[in-house]
Amino acid sequence: NAGVMQNPRHLVRRRGQEARLRCSPMKGHSHVYWYRQLPEEGLKFMVYLQKENIIDESGMPKERFSAEFPKEGPSILRIQQVVRGDSAAYFCASSPYVSETYEQYFGPGTRLTVT
Amino acid sequence: KQEVTQIPAALSVPEGENLVLNCSFTDSAIYNLQWFRQDPGKGLTSLLLIQSSQREQTSGRLNASLDKSSGRSTLYIAASQPGDSATYLCAAYMDSSYKLIFGSGTRLLVRP
Repeated sequence: NAGVMQNPRHLVRRRGQEARLRCSPMKGHSHVYWYRQLPEEGLKFMVYLQKENIIDESGMPKERFSAEFPKEGPSILRIQQVVRGDSAAYFCASSPYVSETYEQYFGPGTRLTVT
Repeated sequence: KQEVTQIPAALSVPEGENLVLNCSFTDSAIYNLQWFRQDPGKGLTSLLLIQSSQREQTSGRLNASLDKSSGRSTLYIAASQPGDSATYLCAAYMDSSYKLIFGSGTRLLVRP
């Protein structure tokens, strides 16, 4: 059973460009979570999605950021008009619909650098 | 609002030493607590998950304890090795919630 997959692993964008980060959850997992880790900081929750639904986006910046988890395909975190402050590691996690432990399984992350 | 704090922020020990990493949380209404390891520039490796009904979990040289009443968790590493050098993160799952609240981590260096 492959783990959570994220791509690309590294992404470089110039200021003003768009960044698209992809996350494929573990097989059988229908819940996806995105976290951001700014340099020298801990991970911060951004958004929680189920298939075709955004459940909680309370951690998402109000502007330029959006997320989706379509019926088919990976979850996408989209950042429009990137700025230097968006440079961070973005981690995706997934969990099954029913889990006694509610444990989330993390991907390797995408490291975004904005130049 | 739940806050998770890790002390110390950094720790340097000689190889072979036993050590304890501390994690405290402000809201005792946590569901589970999980310890992760993060190597520089890498993802998260899950070490131990302690469910709310449990007091501790063990895996090899690692032992994690959870005391909800005092708002504390500790990660004990026995006979430390240079390969244990990494940042250790604790994270709390809140009751009726799916959000993981992370601490800022303890950066561990084990000197040969």
